[in-house]
Amino acid sequence: EIVLTQSPGTLSLSPGERATLSCRASQSVSSSYLAWYQQKPGQAPRLLIYGASTRATGLPDRFSGSGSGTDFTLTISRLEPEDFAVYYCQQYGSSLWTFGQGTKVEIK
Amino acid sequence: QLQLQESGPGLVKPSETLSLTCTVSGGSIISSAYYWGWIRQPPGKGLEWIGNIYYSGSTYYNPSLKSRVTISVDTSKNQFSLKLSSVTAADTAVYYCARWFGELNFDFWGQGTLVTVSS
Repeated sequence: EIVLTQSPGTLSLSPGERATLSCRASQSVSSSYLAWYQQKPGQAPRLLIYGASTRATGLPDRFSGSGSGTDFTLTISRLEPEDFAVYYCQQYGSSLWTFGQGTKVEIK
Repeated sequence: QLQLQESGPGLVKPSETLSLTCTVSGGSIISSAYYWGWIRQPPGKGLEWIGNIYYSGSTYYNPSLKSRVTISVDTSKNQFSLKLSSVTAADTAVYYCARWFGELNFDFWGQGTLVTVSS
C-alpha cells in the first residue's frame, strides 16, 4: 500500500503570499492518478488538480501542480482569502486508493 | 449536473452494522468509465478511502477495513450502498460518496453524512 505524506502539516501565510505544499509517496506513483483536493470547513472535498498537473474545470491559474515519481507539489502563487483551507493529495494504484493526511493553509 | 446524496441513520450502536446509501442523480451509474466510492472523515481528521464499486459489482476495499465492509450497487435505483459491520466509536465519521473517473480521480462528491457510533 502506498503511503502519502504531506508537509508541512500547517502553513501560516498572509494573503498574496505563495504557498508550496508537498506530497511524498512511499513508492513511485503514476502521475496520471495523482490528484489534489481542497476542503473547507463543513464542506466536501473539491477536486483541484488531477494527473498531477491538470487544473480542474474553472480552477484559477494561481493553482498549479507538479511532480513525478514520489514527489509532488501543489503551488498557490498568490493566496486569496478563499484559498485558506485544508489540502489533500490522493493517488490510485494497484486497485488501492490512498489520501495524504492533509496540509492546513491558515491565515497568518 | 451530476449529484450524489448520502442517506442513512445518523446514529448506530456499537457492535451493530452501519448502513448508508448513495443516490446518484443527473447521470447513470451504469458506465464503463466510472467507479463509485465511499470515503470517510473522522471529526477533525483526514480523509480515509473505504472502497469502490463498479456498476457490474466488482469491488475494491481498503485492506484495513476489508473484513468489515461490503459495498453493493443497485443499478435499477441508480444507487450504491455501504455496510460496515461491528462498528465502534472509531467508526464515527462523516461518510462521503463520490464518483471516481479515472485520471480525474474523485471528481464529484456527495455533501457527506455524519454517522455517530454510540449507545
